[in-house]
Amino acid sequence: KAGVTQTPRYLIKTRGQQVTLSCSPISGHRSVSWYQQTPGQGLQFLFEYFSETQRNKGNFPGRFSGRQFSNSRSEMNVSTLELGDSALYLCASSTGEAKNIQYFGAGTRLSVL
Amino acid sequence: AQSVTQLGSHVSVSEGALVLLRCNYSSSVPPYLFWYVQYPNQGLQLLLKYTTGATLVKGINGFEAEFKKSETSFHLTKPSAHMSDAAEYFCAVSTGRRALTFGSGTRLQVQP
Repeated sequence: KAGVTQTPRYLIKTRGQQVTLSCSPISGHRSVSWYQQTPGQGLQFLFEYFSETQRNKGNFPGRFSGRQFSNSRSEMNVSTLELGDSALYLCASSTGEAKNIQYFGAGTRLSVL
Repeated sequence: AQSVTQLGSHVSVSEGALVLLRCNYSSSVPPYLFWYVQYPNQGLQLLLKYTTGATLVKGINGFEAEFKKSETSFHLTKPSAHMSDAAEYFCAVSTGRRALTFGSGTRLQVQP
């Protein structure tokens, strides 16, 4: 069974640009969550999508948005990039219950110059 | 609200020695608890989880953790460290809202 796939693995952008990251969950998983990992703030929850609906949201500004498609694949978009958005963005998939394991992808490392 | 505290951002042990990584949580409802490991330039891999039932949980690679409700702890242990255990370890808690709240992580160094 294929794992969680995130593309691209690395991205370099400049301030003010926007970026879209992609995540393909494990087959059969309907929940996709996104996390931001930085040395200063650690791992922080961005949002969760389940069956194409945002079900849960963390404390991030509106520049961070996402969506989920009917095949459960998800995209995350960051508009008007800031230097502080440089981070490892991790996607996790699960069947959707709190007690269930979230399986993580390898992440997309975003560098904002 | 839920939170996780991992005591010790860096832990160093000798190969063959006991590994003990500490995790304390705060949750207003019965929590689900997880330990993940992260190797450089990789995502998170689940080591073990506690949901309900037996409080001593065994995971992969010889790791285990014990849920102690009275101490609000979920410490991770391994009897004998191996060089390949060197990585960063994260404790996480989840409640009904499904999002994982992570601790700040503990970097484990294993000395030969």
